[in-house]
Amino acid sequence: QVLLQESGPRLVKPSETLSLTCTVSGVPITASFWSWIRQPPGKGLEWIGYIFQTGSPHYNPSLKSRVTMSLDTSKGQFSLNLDSVNAADTAVYYCTRTVGIRYSDLWGRGTLVTVSS
Amino acid sequence: QSALSQPRSVSGSPGQSVTISCTGTSSDVGHYNFVSWYQQHPATAPKLLIYDVTQRPSGVPDRFSGSKSGNTASLTISGLQAEDEADYYCCSYAGTYTFWLFGGGTKLTVL
Repeated sequence: QVLLQESGPRLVKPSETLSLTCTVSGVPITASFWSWIRQPPGKGLEWIGYIFQTGSPHYNPSLKSRVTMSLDTSKGQFSLNLDSVNAADTAVYYCTRTVGIRYSDLWGRGTLVTVSS
Repeated sequence: QSALSQPRSVSGSPGQSVTISCTGTSSDVGHYNFVSWYQQHPATAPKLLIYDVTQRPSGVPDRFSGSKSGNTASLTISGLQAEDEADYYCCSYAGTYTFWLFGGGTKLTVL
């Protein structure tokens, strides 16, 4: 069974960096694409970016200047850093397994990150 | 690029059919056959319902079906059941720059 689990601070101060990690179990992390998707409270979904082993990460153009994603194959984890956060970055952040460019078939449970002083 | 356009809400009675539309442009929905649909119950993660416009993952009932015409994709739910009450999101690949666009979501109420 493939499982994804998000972890990281639930509260981040404005202007600081949001950092999350997704731990993947049940499948080699080298075998797939992996994405981050977020959902502000009461709002819709927004794709943040994807990463895979053999290529460069790809980011949402609206977030590209603030986003960095990385892959740690030895730990079976991938990570998200979002710089200079503000209240609009408050959201539930999901990590997902992405099948190429087509769809996300597996999702973590999501973690709510609040940006507040 | 703007998000895909979905109706905010739809409703139907048990046993009926409902269709949720997802309108994009010739650069996304109209250009690629990579439209997916997700179901989200309150306080849970989205679940994949349809991929590649019409394909259902194993375990998804055949009451759920997808289609596309021009720049608009559609999700049809037949034989509505109470547990179908949820939010539904469409998503389309939109090219190497934008990658993915989501719709704003549609709340389905089963009357």
